[in-house]
Amino acid sequence: QSALTQPASVSGSPGQSITISCTGTISDVGSYNLVSWYQQHPGKAPKLMIYGGTKRPSGVSNRFSGSKSGNTASLTISGLQIEDEADYYCFSYGGSSTSWVFGGGTKLTVL
Amino acid sequence: QVQLVQSGAEVKKPGASVKVSCETSGYTFTGYYIFWVRQAPGQGLEWMGWINPNSGGTNYAQKFQGRVTMTRDTSISTAYMELSRLRSEDTALYYCARGDWGSGWLDPWGQGTLVTVSS
Repeated sequence: QSALTQPASVSGSPGQSITISCTGTISDVGSYNLVSWYQQHPGKAPKLMIYGGTKRPSGVSNRFSGSKSGNTASLTISGLQIEDEADYYCFSYGGSSTSWVFGGGTKLTVL
Repeated sequence: QVQLVQSGAEVKKPGASVKVSCETSGYTFTGYYIFWVRQAPGQGLEWMGWINPNSGGTNYAQKFQGRVTMTRDTSISTAYMELSRLRSEDTALYYCARGDWGSGWLDPWGQGTLVTVSS
């Protein structure tokens, strides 16, 4: 099972917007609307931010949004805040043979 | 509120087995899957498998097949993950998470259980 591909790091200034990509294949991201995104601060458990590709759980800021185009899912954070600095992971269903797979993770730095 | 509370840290020798528990509360245990995910020190998240608490059915990542066993006890709303034939590369933080298979979300997560494999 190959991990989904994410950039190792992204950065932005407070107030700006950034986008983190999650590239898979036609067998996973491209075939299912089952991509979720997780935020993880150092020493903490991951937190669900987006599911079903575009849906936001209650309690998650509307500054977080998800989208998908072809085999690539994306997480966009608008109006960056200092507290957004964290690691972000995508997670997707990959079909009956692969089942589920995470992206390698992206470290977001808010400068 | 929904909570998943995991058992405490473990130190094991190579070749041994470890069993981590995940006690749930605040929701119907049999209504959602339990996913297990691990994170080696300084590394990313790795999906290990899931158990359907209603049926007991499981699905393991290919990497762990033959070494991992996921079980549950519905009477106490607790899921378990046992990993055998431990090696140093299994040193990691092990998480359980409530999962909805149909929507693909994992929420919430347990606090994590550190398993250290060392001779």
